Amino acid sequence: QKEVEQDPGPLSVPEGAIVSLNCTYSNSAFQYFMWYRQYSRKGPELLMYTYSSGNKEDGRFTAQVDKSSKYISLFIRDSQPSDSATYLCAMTFNNAGNMLTFGGGTRLMVKP
Amino acid sequence: EAGVTQFPSHSVIEKGQTVTLRCDPISGHDNLYWYRRVMGKEIKFLLHFVKESKQDESGMPNNRFLAERTGGTYSTLKVQPAELEDSGVYFCASSQMGASYGYTFGSGTRLTVV
Repeated sequence: QKEVEQDPGPLSVPEGAIVSLNCTYSNSAFQYFMWYRQYSRKGPELLMYTYSSGNKEDGRFTAQVDKSSKYISLFIRDSQPSDSATYLCAMTFNNAGNMLTFGGGTRLMVKP
Repeated sequence: EAGVTQFPSHSVIEKGQTVTLRCDPISGHDNLYWYRRVMGKEIKFLLHFVKESKQDESGMPNNRFLAERTGGTYSTLKVQPAELEDSGVYFCASSQMGASYGYTFGSGTRLTVV
């Protein structure tokens, strides 16, 4: 069993739709949760991070963490064609520079 | 500020040859990481430098892989001899101390072993 599970997609939505991306994980020791966006032939780019449970909002993006269910989500409101990319969840145990454990990524396509 | 630079961007080598990947982190970032994504799999951790010291190399797959970080600046990852299963995209990332969430990734080196 993978430590972090993520539906690979592709997920295709029309422009303006609300997008929901999710990851589940098995290790309850994870405390920091991140979402990265990766465009083709580029490296992952940090979108959002959250510590422990709760919500965090940044513009059109909202990250949610439910540690009791070991489930994290990223919501994108008013999706744009420029949001088309692969979205990767990642998590780690503490903020001491330890390694990240990634999900496999979900490919999102936003159609104009 | 300049980002994390990796080169070459793409390398095609024959099985049994040697390849050296280079990473230049963001200036002032003490943490430097190597990750790898093989086809169809998730991005996986290889190793972590703090300045010039190896902090964690638990992800290195075998002794054909050798990583160095000269003077705490740039890093190299050498694969010798390369095998077919080494094909994938190798990412380097850097961050300041105490910032697990502050990684900046490079664009990666796409390694193809034929």
